[in-house]
Amino acid sequence: EPEVTQTPSHQVTQMGQEVILRCVPISNHLYFYWYRQILGQKVEFLVSFYNNEISEKSEIFDDQFSVERPDGSNFTLKIRSTKLEDSAMYFCASSYTGVETQYFGPGTRLLVL
Amino acid sequence: DAKTTQPNSMESNEEEPVHLPCNHSTISGTDYIHWYRQLPSQGPEYVIHGLTSNVNNRMASLAIAEDRKSSTLILHRATLRDAAVYYCILNSGGSNYKLTFGKGTLLTVNP
Repeated sequence: EPEVTQTPSHQVTQMGQEVILRCVPISNHLYFYWYRQILGQKVEFLVSFYNNEISEKSEIFDDQFSVERPDGSNFTLKIRSTKLEDSAMYFCASSYTGVETQYFGPGTRLLVL
Repeated sequence: DAKTTQPNSMESNEEEPVHLPCNHSTISGTDYIHWYRQLPSQGPEYVIHGLTSNVNNRMASLAIAEDRKSSTLILHRATLRDAAVYYCILNSGGSNYKLTFGKGTLLTVNP
């Protein structure tokens, strides 16, 4: 069964450093998403991406965040200058149509020191 | 986004059916009812979704009230692997299809 993959599974970085989280969505999917989950808290929507552009972003997704689909398979989330509060589990998801099932990856655990 | 209300936690015994309720009294006509679950240390996983009619799949059944103001996720025979947080989410696509997660219901399955 096709699945969403994410790399790395864990990332430790220093405050102020840039990180890039990578995702490979399911191949025929058209809609892509990033969510995050701070330890012990709810899963929060960050951004949705369709037709090579951001379709919606939350208030969390400020200028320090960016997303890109550099080729036909990868979908990346970049945090330009990490803060301590960016420490969280980051989940990528994809769906074929927007209203149908979203398939989530296993997540990247980001720890900012 | 339309709001859903779920119990914080529920407990079940292995191999018994589990009925997880969700109230969504402000649901709109275009809202689909989605259920996802999150096993410990994993990403959310799709369980089932429906619009008006009851739905069945290999994982679960979804019973939707006639007025659509509530729904129930039914696990026919709970296993230890079903222990997870279960989220009931409304998605109309009006907000570009983002999923708004609440706190969900923590299901504990006793052996």
